[in-house]
Amino acid sequence: SYVLTQPPSVSVAPGKTARISCGGNNIGSKSLHWYQQKPGQAPVLVVYDDSDRPSGIPERFSGSNSGNTATLTISRVEAGDEADYYCQVWDSSSDHVVFGGGTKLTIL
Amino acid sequence: QVHLVESGGGVVQPGRSLRLSCAASGFTFSSYAMHWVRQAPGKGLEWVAFISYDVNNKYYADSVKGRFTISRDNSENTLYLQMNSLRAEDTAVYFCARRTGRYDAFDIWGRGTLVTVSS
Repeated sequence: SYVLTQPPSVSVAPGKTARISCGGNNIGSKSLHWYQQKPGQAPVLVVYDDSDRPSGIPERFSGSNSGNTATLTISRVEAGDEADYYCQVWDSSSDHVVFGGGTKLTIL
Repeated sequence: QVHLVESGGGVVQPGRSLRLSCAASGFTFSSYAMHWVRQAPGKGLEWVAFISYDVNNKYYADSVKGRFTISRDNSENTLYLQMNSLRAEDTAVYFCARRTGRYDAFDIWGRGTLVTVSS
């Protein structure tokens, strides 16, 4: 089965840029999505189809996907960005949704 | 406003059954595929099941296949998850989520309902 690998944690100072990676075999050939989840809340879609943003998501959130790695980039990080972030794809070979293990973003 | 509201969670003994519901409002429910996703306490997101807008396609995670059944009633704008032969490892918050119109992403989520499997 397809596997997505994320670092368990990323730390960044306010105002800096956070980069969260998501690794998978030839992940660049798949449509990759990112979710933000704060404690006690449902996930929120922040990037879909590798690099598009839903309405209402700040431009500070951007994504890229190539080769074996996808990246969520959060520019000018704010305290309110502290959350867990998950990458996700649809694996057409198994007709399964696959989530990465999640990355906890800590604002220093 | 677009809303998904789950219900039906609770405490259940191992081996017993439970049915979750997800009431949709604010959009044309019958036009969208839907999913169930769960999250065990302190753990990450785990996909559970998918159902197409027209009920013709259903897919399940290996961990629940043969025990869980996803269904929907488009006339009632409601999604269901029938959970049988429950195990302790099924303990989780269960979210229903809407698939976006074009991509295999989830653009709308409910707040979740907690299922606890314990004797």
